[in-house]
Amino acid sequence: GAGVSQTPSNKVTEKGKYVELRCDPISGHTALYWYRQSLGQGPEFLIYFQGTGAADDSGLPNDRFFAVRPEGSVSTLKIQRTERGDSAVYLCASSQTRGVGGGRGNEQFFGPGTRLTVL
Amino acid sequence: GDSVTQMEGPVTLSEEAFLTINCTYTATGYPSLFWYVQYPGEGLQLLLKATKADDKGSNKGFEATYRKETTSFHLEKGSVQVSDSAVYFCALRGNTDKLIFGTGTRLQVFP
Repeated sequence: GAGVSQTPSNKVTEKGKYVELRCDPISGHTALYWYRQSLGQGPEFLIYFQGTGAADDSGLPNDRFFAVRPEGSVSTLKIQRTERGDSAVYLCASSQTRGVGGGRGNEQFFGPGTRLTVL
Repeated sequence: GDSVTQMEGPVTLSEEAFLTINCTYTATGYPSLFWYVQYPGEGLQLLLKATKADDKGSNKGFEATYRKETTSFHLEKGSVQVSDSAVYFCALRGNTDKLIFGTGTRLQVFP
């Protein structure tokens, strides 16, 4: 079946502009995660949704970052007044269920990412 | 807070050589441990996992054992192939749903 998809694959914008990044999770997956991967680093957690609600947004770096998942499926990560330091690959992942531990149902499947470049 | 430390790369090996990529962690409680792999031009894929102490995860010839006494989860493979060239990430999941990743180790295998 189809995996996690993200659009666009690449986004170039100018400092101060607004951007939206889209994530389509695997059908039926209730949990959705956003991570950010800077060059030479591992992914860093941003926010996690269970259904339509943000269950944990502790990783959002500041109030310029916001994410929504209005119907419990597709999610959009929104960045206002972009800064050069926001340049990174933004990764989305989904899992069938939530939950701690390593159970099969809560394995996170990652999309290919959106590479954001802020000039 | 919880964290993962893994060896810096790149690790450069000849085909059929033995591979070890070190990973240690800091966490409260009993986290689950993971190795993810990122092949060139592809997304992150789960390679293997272990959910409790002394568990061994294995896949595609790779193995890692959850060692609580040394807080380690080192990745090993007995004979690497050129196709194993990728970036490998060690990660943990503790008492929350989020994954915490190491910085990644690039493996380059030459024929």
